[in-house]
Amino acid sequence: EIVLTQSPGTLSLSPGERATLSCRANQSISNNYLAWYQHKPGRAPRLLIYSASSRATGIPDRFSGSGSGTDFTLTISRLEPEDFAVFYCQQFGSTPNTFGQGTKLEIK
Amino acid sequence: EVQLVESGGGLIRPGGSLRLSCTASGFTFMYSAMSWVRQAPGKGLEWVSSISGSGGSTYYADSVKGRFTISRDNSKNTLFLQMNSLRAEDTAVYYCAKAWLVRTGGMCWDYWGQGTLATVSS
Repeated sequence: EIVLTQSPGTLSLSPGERATLSCRANQSISNNYLAWYQHKPGRAPRLLIYSASSRATGIPDRFSGSGSGTDFTLTISRLEPEDFAVFYCQQFGSTPNTFGQGTKLEIK
Repeated sequence: EVQLVESGGGLIRPGGSLRLSCTASGFTFMYSAMSWVRQAPGKGLEWVSSISGSGGSTYYADSVKGRFTISRDNSKNTLFLQMNSLRAEDTAVYYCAKAWLVRTGGMCWDYWGQGTLATVSS
């Protein structure tokens, strides 16, 4: 099973700042099949990025994904107030599909 | 507009059974693989089970294999999760999710429901 470790656990930033979230796998993810989700309390998770760097439909271009193999990054170029949430990475390159433990992005 | 609405959660005693439903609209249900993903209180997301569009292929996490059964009724645009022999560690919000990209190793999901809470407790 692929274990995904996200860092930091919590990130405190202000609107307008740049956010960089990390997701590291304990083994290489096939074809970089790595997705990122945003999750707010009581809401449905939202797909942001798939296949490491492809933005999902309707996702603003301030969200970008990068990386390959075992190291992946989600970058939010300029934080908007509505961006603060918990972010999860998920790999779908091998079964079972697994998620990272999440990074909480909070307002500083 | 894609909508996924889960139902069927509730309080159940250990060893009991519960059947979750997810009613879908806004897309061609029979063409989409679907999954259940859960989130235990204070924890992260955990994939539970997936099913192909036809229902002919099903997949389970080891933690639920042999106890949970995923199924679908394409004539009613509905996804199900039959949960038997429930344990306290099955307590979670259960999300229904529509597959976006399906590959040999699994899938990611572009639409999710709001979730239904299943609580296993005596």
